[in-house]
Amino acid sequence: ETGVTQTPRHLVMGMTNKKSLKCEQHLGHNAMYWYKQSAKKPLELMFVYNFKEQTENNSVPSRFSPECPNSSHLFLHLHTLQPEDSALYLCASSQDRTGRSTDTQYFGPGTRLTVL
Amino acid sequence: GENVEQHPSTLSVQEGDSAVIKCTYSDSASNYFPWYKQELGKRPQLIIDIRSNVGEKKDQRIAVTLNKTAKHFSLHITETQPEDSAVYFCAATIDSGTYKYIFGTGTRLKVLA
Repeated sequence: ETGVTQTPRHLVMGMTNKKSLKCEQHLGHNAMYWYKQSAKKPLELMFVYNFKEQTENNSVPSRFSPECPNSSHLFLHLHTLQPEDSALYLCASSQDRTGRSTDTQYFGPGTRLTVL
Repeated sequence: GENVEQHPSTLSVQEGDSAVIKCTYSDSASNYFPWYKQELGKRPQLIIDIRSNVGEKKDQRIAVTLNKTAKHFSLHITETQPEDSAVYFCAATIDSGTYKYIFGTGTRLKVLA
């Protein structure tokens, strides 16, 4: 349960605020992911990082800005969000040595974000 | 684009009965199919997975079957218990330069005691 951690667990912010979500994995993995989970919708992949390099941006609005300083840490910087951005934001990691791997993804507990 | 359809969206069964959740994928190149269980307020957790070179896999009360020709796979839970109540997600991999998962919309399973 402590392999992938996320902070904060809950966040309420106004549309003009700037905040950051943090993810840390203690599994020695090389790939990290950000997902958005909204009610009654499938998990939406936002970003993928492999060996600190961004390998996927799933047409995410620029008000979401990811940062991956090393293979263990992943951030999601938020600014001028909209109420429809309210959701559970999940981080995941996988071994992914080659960048073309189907290694299992392990999820963090998520950050419940509410945008007022 | 590529997608994964999951049915049913909700499922209620009596304790001790079996539950079956079905998913259909569109990318014939998909080769890995994990199933996740997400309890209320908790993270999705992998419960079983199957690779495309295998037709069936079983782990105690949970089994997954894969039909590559029809491009569908199913989760089977036998002898259901109240603690099986959760949302279950299927996923299939696609390769768009980066391997990634496409998730189904989830099935809310309720096991009635």
